[in-house]
Amino acid sequence: QVQLQQSGAELVKPGSSVKISCKASGYTFTSYDMHWIKQQPGNGLEWIGWIYPGNGNTKYNQKFNGKATLTADKSSSTAYMQLSSLTSEDSAVYFCARRAAGSPFAYWGQGTLVTVSS
Amino acid sequence: EIVLTQSPTTMAASPGEKVTITCRASSSVSYMHWFQQKSGTSPKPWIYDTSKLASGVPDRFSGSGSGTSYSLTISSMEAEDAATYYCLQRSSYPLTFGSGTKLEIK
Repeated sequence: QVQLQQSGAELVKPGSSVKISCKASGYTFTSYDMHWIKQQPGNGLEWIGWIYPGNGNTKYNQKFNGKATLTADKSSSTAYMQLSSLTSEDSAVYFCARRAAGSPFAYWGQGTLVTVSS
Repeated sequence: EIVLTQSPTTMAASPGEKVTITCRASSSVSYMHWFQQKSGTSPKPWIYDTSKLASGVPDRFSGSGSGTSYSLTISSMEAEDAATYYCLQRSSYPLTFGSGTKLEIK
């Protein structure tokens, strides 16, 4: 069965960077886009972008250009998102998600909480 | 960017009551997708391609709409349906979600 296992919670300082991971299993990693979604505490959902691990192609929400960098390691079936120049506005839960036939975001990781605090 | 406006923002329904949640798009979209999220968990796919129920979703749920107006309906509210529901459009980039409708049981 498809599983997306995300890395654990991070407490990071303002101005620093963080890299979170999403390890995929149960399917051919290189055949599906991996999307990333942000959810601030008590708030709604915001799409960050996707990466296609098969060729490394990416598509970003312009709002996250320069903030988020998506990469993927085919050898370990793991997708990564690096967030840079962190501020309190970046404190959120970040999800990875994958589509299925017809259904966007059919599979979700459990989420990674990033807290930006000095 | 296509803005999705959900209404109501919050509501409470009694068991057995019919519930309708609306999602209006600032521009026409081809399909609408819906997700259910309960506190502390990841969103779950709920309705896709406007009217198709995701696996395991009870058939008291339905989805409809076209163009700029879409809705999710529960024919008869049950306690387990209490959650926040989000709509999503993927007709154009960036993909956008509605701000959510929190549905509570009375």
